[in-house]
Amino acid sequence: ELKVEQNPLFLSMQEGKNYTIYCNYSTTSDRLYWYRQDPGKSLESLFVLLSNGAVKQEGRLMASLDTKARLSTLHITAAVHDLSATYFCAVLLQGSQGNLIFGKGTKLSVKP
Amino acid sequence: DAGVIQSPRHEVTEMGQEVTLRCKPISGHNSLFWYRQTMMRGLELLIYFNNNVPIDDSGMPEDRFSAKMPNASFSTLKIQPSEPRDSAVYFCASSKGAGGLYGYTFGSGTRLTVV
Repeated sequence: ELKVEQNPLFLSMQEGKNYTIYCNYSTTSDRLYWYRQDPGKSLESLFVLLSNGAVKQEGRLMASLDTKARLSTLHITAAVHDLSATYFCAVLLQGSQGNLIFGKGTKLSVKP
Repeated sequence: DAGVIQSPRHEVTEMGQEVTLRCKPISGHNSLFWYRQTMMRGLELLIYFNNNVPIDDSGMPEDRFSAKMPNASFSTLKIQPSEPRDSAVYFCASSKGAGGLYGYTFGSGTRLTVV
């Protein structure tokens, strides 16, 4: 059974600081996704990571994937208040045609 | 591109009533997914379709839940009879191809409240 664990689950940080959210998963997969969800809203796709060593960056967010360690990181650089949201990682169940297993999410609050 | 369209946005119903949620995937996407989000259980996959064919419905909680995809542009998720524990946000998502190569696009969700 594929399990996806994120940590921390809650993160309060000050503007301008850097931090990393971690996503560990329990069985082999080479496809991992990061989503952002604002309160009461849908899930917005941030990154699609499709291979070992994949690194993608968009603005103040950078995501990476290490399939051997079964670990992905979402790094936040110089946080701003607009980044406050819940961030989910999701892992594709190997051998399935699209079964995404989600982590519980990291609720990020960026304070001025 | 209008994105994945779900209706209704909000539904309040009494226990025992039938509820039908609707989804229109992005044109050209041939995989469609129904997810449920609750505080307790997070995001759970209920069922997914490839080319209108149900591939995995193991996440459907019980026989009260059913889903159909009669054509490439429309899917429904039905709950009959509804119960208070079905209260959740139900998301529909679609993707191009199988295997998630191009990512998944989520709709705005339907917030279901069963009283």
